[in-house]
Amino acid sequence: DIQMTQSPSALSASVGDRVTITCRASQSISTWLAWYQQKPGKAPKLLIYKASSLESGVPSRFSGSGSGTEFTLTISSLQPDDFATYHCQQYASYPYTFGQGTELEIK
Amino acid sequence: QAQLVESGGGVVQPGGSLRLSCAASGFTFTNYGMDWVRQAPGKGLEWVADIWYDGNKKQYADFAKGRFTISRDNSKNTLYLQMNSLRPEDTAVYYCATDFTGGYFDSWGQGTLVTVSS
Repeated sequence: DIQMTQSPSALSASVGDRVTITCRASQSISTWLAWYQQKPGKAPKLLIYKASSLESGVPSRFSGSGSGTEFTLTISSLQPDDFATYHCQQYASYPYTFGQGTELEIK
Repeated sequence: QAQLVESGGGVVQPGGSLRLSCAASGFTFTNYGMDWVRQAPGKGLEWVADIWYDGNKKQYADFAKGRFTISRDNSKNTLYLQMNSLRPEDTAVYYCATDFTGGYFDSWGQGTLVTVSS
């Protein structure tokens, strides 16, 4: 199975900050990577697919990059609505696997 | 806009069974692969199983093989997950999700909680 490791596990930041979350795969997954946002008690929401493609309706302050084994999710200027947990997921091969999540908190 | 509504969760004893359902609307169900993803309390997301748009191919996580069965009824726009031989570690919120292009999850239901406890 492909292991996905996110860093950091938790992050404190302020409104207006630029934030980057990293996701590393245990083997190459090309660009078969998605990012999701999840708020407490809610279902995840797709933000990014194929490593860098922005899902329709997602604000342009969210961006993704990377290929192979290292990927990043960047929020260019944090908004109050962005404080949530972020998950990466590989879909290069079965079983699909997720990172452990990064909790983004208000500083 | 896709709408997915899960049902069938509840409390079950170890070794018991449950069948989860996911009613789909707002999109052409027969065009989409579908998946189940779960999340144990306070934990991350874990993929469970998926099924092709026509039901002809299914894949399972190792923990689900031999115990869980994914199925769909395209005439009813409904996805199912039959779970047998349940264990305490299966306790989680179970989400159904659409999988249009193969592997990532475009839309999600609100989830249904399964608690396995004596």
